[in-house]
Order: sequence, then C-alpha cells, then structure tokens
Amino acid sequence: EPEVTQTPSHQVTQMGQEVILRCVPISNHLYFYWYRQILGQKVEFLVSFYNNEISEKSEIFDDQFSVERPDGSNFTLKIRSTKLEDSAMYFCASGGTVSNYGYTFGSGTRLTVV
Amino acid sequence: GESVGLHLPTLSVQEGDNSIINCAYSNSASDYFIWYKQESGKGPQFIIDIRSNMDKRQGQRVTVLLNKTVKHLSLQIAATQPGDSAVYFCAENDGSNYKLTFGKGTLLTVNP
Repeated sequence: EPEVTQTPSHQVTQMGQEVILRCVPISNHLYFYWYRQILGQKVEFLVSFYNNEISEKSEIFDDQFSVERPDGSNFTLKIRSTKLEDSAMYFCASGGTVSNYGYTFGSGTRLTVV
Repeated sequence: GESVGLHLPTLSVQEGDNSIINCAYSNSASDYFIWYKQESGKGPQFIIDIRSNMDKRQGQRVTVLLNKTVKHLSLQIAATQPGDSAVYFCAENDGSNYKLTFGKGTLLTVNP
C-alpha cells in the first residue's frame, strides 16, 4: 500500500536554529499538507499546498514557516528560527483530489527544540 | 466558535465487547466527517468517513453514525480487539477549503 514517508523521525535542535522537515508524498497525489500535534493535544492544520502554491494556511503558519516542493517527489516544511513552543510532532499528508478529504498521513517527525 | 470535541477522553473495554466513541461538533456547515486511529508513535490512520447526506455508514467491524440534529458523531467498533487500542480522533471539513479540523481524541484501551 502506498505510504507517505517522513524524515527524520526525530529531530533535536537548538532554539533559534533552522530546521527542514522532509516528506515524500504518495506519487500520484496532487494535494499536500502539514499538520502538527503538540504532545497530548489534538492534530492542528498548518498548511495545504496544491499546484506549487499554498492553498490555505492557519494562523500558526506565520512568517517563520515555509513550504516547498523542490522537485517532483519531495515536500518540505522549513522553520526558520525555531522556538521552544515549536516542539511537536509534525505530520505530512497527501491526497488525490479535492473531493477526497481522507488523505494519507505519514508517521511524523518529532521535533524537539531545546 | 467552530470546534470539534469529544465527550470522553478515555474508554476502557474488555476484549470482545463493542466500543462506542463519541464526538460533538459545532460547525453546522460541516458536511464531511472522518474517524482516524492513531497508534503510539504513528500518524493518523483513516478508518471510515461519512458525508452529511447520510446518517450511517458501515465498514469492517466499524460503523459511523451521524446525527445532524444534535451535531453528534459516533464510532462503533464491534468485537473490540487488543489491536484496536489507540487514540481515536474525529475530524470534519466544511467543504470550503482543504483542511480538516480535528477533535481532541479518545484513548481506547482494550483489556484482554
């Protein structure tokens, strides 16, 4: 069964450093997403991406965040200057069509900012 | 404001029993609902979905019920197994954008 792959599985970084979280979506999917989950809390939407541009973003996705699809297979989330409160699980997801909201999630990257 | 929440944060059942996990939503414009299962250290896994033009949908051992009158969603798991132990989230979409709004999650523990 096709999978969404995320790397690394765990990233520890110092406050103020830049991090890049990487995702390989399912190959024929068109829509890509980042969500995050602070420990013990619900999954929160960050951003959706379609046709090489952001479709929608939440208030969490401020100027410190950016997304990119640098080639035909990778989808990245960059946090420019990490803060302690950025510590969370970050999930990438991809979906086929706009009518298919049941998209597939990756296993996540646990980001720890120290 | 808009919210999707769960009545019970934890549910403990015996193996073989049926489980019912509940979810309340407040956005009356929501027209698509999904249940996800999240095992420890993994991402959310799709279980079953339902559109607002339906009030019941069945899958393999799972049934989702939607009551639009009271804005309530439930997930029923038949003959619960230890492998069903996980956190279960409901999520909703109002059709105006691509994002899903998740509820807080219910931890289901199945005792052998």
